[in-house]
Amino acid sequence: QKEVEQDPGPLSVPEGAIVSLNCTYSNSAFQYFMWYRQYSRKGPELLMYTYSSGNKEDGRFTAQVDKSSKYISLFIRDSQPSDSATYLCAPRGNRDDKIIFGKGTRLHILP
Amino acid sequence: EPEVTQTPSHQVTQMGQEVILRCVPISNHLYFYWYRQILGQKVEFLVSFYNNEISEKSEIFDDQFSVERPDGSNFTLKIRSTKLEDSAMYFCASSQGYNEQFFGPGTRLTVL
Repeated sequence: QKEVEQDPGPLSVPEGAIVSLNCTYSNSAFQYFMWYRQYSRKGPELLMYTYSSGNKEDGRFTAQVDKSSKYISLFIRDSQPSDSATYLCAPRGNRDDKIIFGKGTRLHILP
Repeated sequence: EPEVTQTPSHQVTQMGQEVILRCVPISNHLYFYWYRQILGQKVEFLVSFYNNEISEKSEIFDDQFSVERPDGSNFTLKIRSTKLEDSAMYFCASSQGYNEQFFGPGTRLTVL
């Protein structure tokens, strides 16, 4: 079983829709959960950072972590064409240095 | 807003040559990292660096790779004898502690 799994997409939704991006992981030691956004041929840009289970909201973005089912979600409200990018699920252990990235989900917002 | 910078943005080299990729982390950060991304694949961890020494490295980071913080601002990745399969985007990242890691724009390395 892969450590971090994401549906690669592409996921195409109309502008203004709510987007749901999901990720599963296998390592129960993961404690920190990040979502990064990556535009083509650019570096990952940190979007959301949560610790352990629960929800976190930041503007149009909401991150949810369910450690019991090892399931992570990112919701984007009022999606914009500028949200078109690859979204990387990125968990990390409590004392680990490294981030384990998923392959990412390509999102395309249709104007 | 402070950011991680990397130079060069694109490096082309011949197989067997040495390359040095350079990074300037965010100034008050203490932890430094290198990751790479082969075209079409996921971002992979290479190495982390703290207090002037390597704190963790992956299987990819073999004897051909080395890292250095030569002064108070730069962080470098050296590949001694490049191979074709080293062609990738190399990302530098930094963090204050065991929290968010901020990534640079990357250096695209092409080995011919």
